Amino acid sequence: DQQVKQNSPSLSVQEGRISILNCDYTNSMFDYFLWYKKYPAEGPTFLISISSIKDKNEDGRFTVFLNKSAKHLSLHIVPSQPGDSAVYFCAASASARGAQKLVFGQGTRLTINP
Amino acid sequence: DGGITQSPKYLFRKEGQNVTLSCEQNLNHDAMYWYRQDPGQGLRLIYYSQIVNDFQKGDIAEGYSVSREKKESFPLTVTSAQKNPTAFYLCATRIGPGVKGGELFFGEGSRLTVL
Repeated sequence: DQQVKQNSPSLSVQEGRISILNCDYTNSMFDYFLWYKKYPAEGPTFLISISSIKDKNEDGRFTVFLNKSAKHLSLHIVPSQPGDSAVYFCAASASARGAQKLVFGQGTRLTINP
Repeated sequence: DGGITQSPKYLFRKEGQNVTLSCEQNLNHDAMYWYRQDPGQGLRLIYYSQIVNDFQKGDIAEGYSVSREKKESFPLTVTSAQKNPTAFYLCATRIGPGVKGGELFFGEGSRLTVL
């Protein structure tokens, strides 16, 4: 049962435009959400997070939006740069579960074209 | 220089052999995790440990074993019972179970290939 889903395996965006990556979840107990960026043969690096008490969090070019009623979150990157080309994973956790395990989506490969 | 060190980066194994992947951290984080990455499947949790001498099974623990004898170290053994061990293995740490939210910090990964 895939509790966190990224339905787009890949996305191609022109440099300077906005990149929008989407993520859906099914577990209503999730209350903390994160986005990670991963280059080939490297570990993921943390980008941005959002708690369920918020619906938006912004950090520089990156903004995460959370729609709890739709169980949907999205990551906006603007403007997109060539260095943003990577695989992006969304992840979720439920505080009440104590151990704070992160459940990851399948990832979306973002390619920024010059 | 603080961080998470995974070794070896690349490892080849014959079928039927056990192999141990190392994960060492000097971030003084309490919690440590092992994830596995396969193409198109994201990261799946194998085992995790919140404190020394304690660890819990994740979603895909069968065929794996771990130990947590020291805070800094969380080695993962891939046993011959693991049916499809070829994958990219990622170790991660987190500050501790008492801290709400909080991101995981990942190592560089170890790629295991079974010949």
